[in-house]
Amino acid sequence: DTGVSQDPRHKITKRGQNVTFRCDPISEHNRLYWYRQTLGQGPEFLTYFQNEAQLEKSRLLSDRFSAERPKGSFSTLEIQRTEQGDSAMYLCASSLRQGGFSGNTIYFGEGSWLTVV
Amino acid sequence: AQTVTQSQPEMSVQEAETVTLSCTYDTSESDYYLFWYKQPPSRQMILVIRQEAYKQQNATENRFSVNFQKAAKSFSLKISDSQLGDAAMYFCACTLVGGSYQLTFGKGTKLSVIP
Repeated sequence: DTGVSQDPRHKITKRGQNVTFRCDPISEHNRLYWYRQTLGQGPEFLTYFQNEAQLEKSRLLSDRFSAERPKGSFSTLEIQRTEQGDSAMYLCASSLRQGGFSGNTIYFGEGSWLTVV
Repeated sequence: AQTVTQSQPEMSVQEAETVTLSCTYDTSESDYYLFWYKQPPSRQMILVIRQEAYKQQNATENRFSVNFQKAAKSFSLKISDSQLGDAAMYFCACTLVGGSYQLTFGKGTKLSVIP
């Protein structure tokens, strides 16, 4: 068990470019979450998947943001036409939901820092 | 929707002393979980302790304990025998039971430990 891993850890991009972040959850975890954290703030929920189904995406910040989780394993978060306001850390987290019990611990990755210049 | 408020942007404590971090929350639901997460300078968020709202007994994890006051919607974290490794950002968070289990975080408290 290597924990939640995210790649890249740091990304500098020019405004208007597209960026993609990858998250590999803990192997047996069926739930995967994306959060955004800006300086001086707590993480802000963006979206989550249960297996390959994206069950909540209304909190994605704009239609420039999209996430996928093909085959219910790793996930990608893409930001199109980046803006300076997108500069933040993007956190991935995962958990295991078994049967009717959903009160499981959420494990976070180390995050992917995005700087838009 | 839930809201979580941490009114102490920064706190400091002498090594080996005790410190309490404050958190208040608001939700109209009766079934929820509360958490304290630690985010060291390496930035990985680590779960410190969690409390189920239906449990009256306060959760404890070694040197970490909470004071859960459901009626007051208060959830403070007490760190005993503070260690240098406790220095970090601490976030209070809330989630509802049975839903997406998404966490709502406060803005955090930066804890410094003075040797």
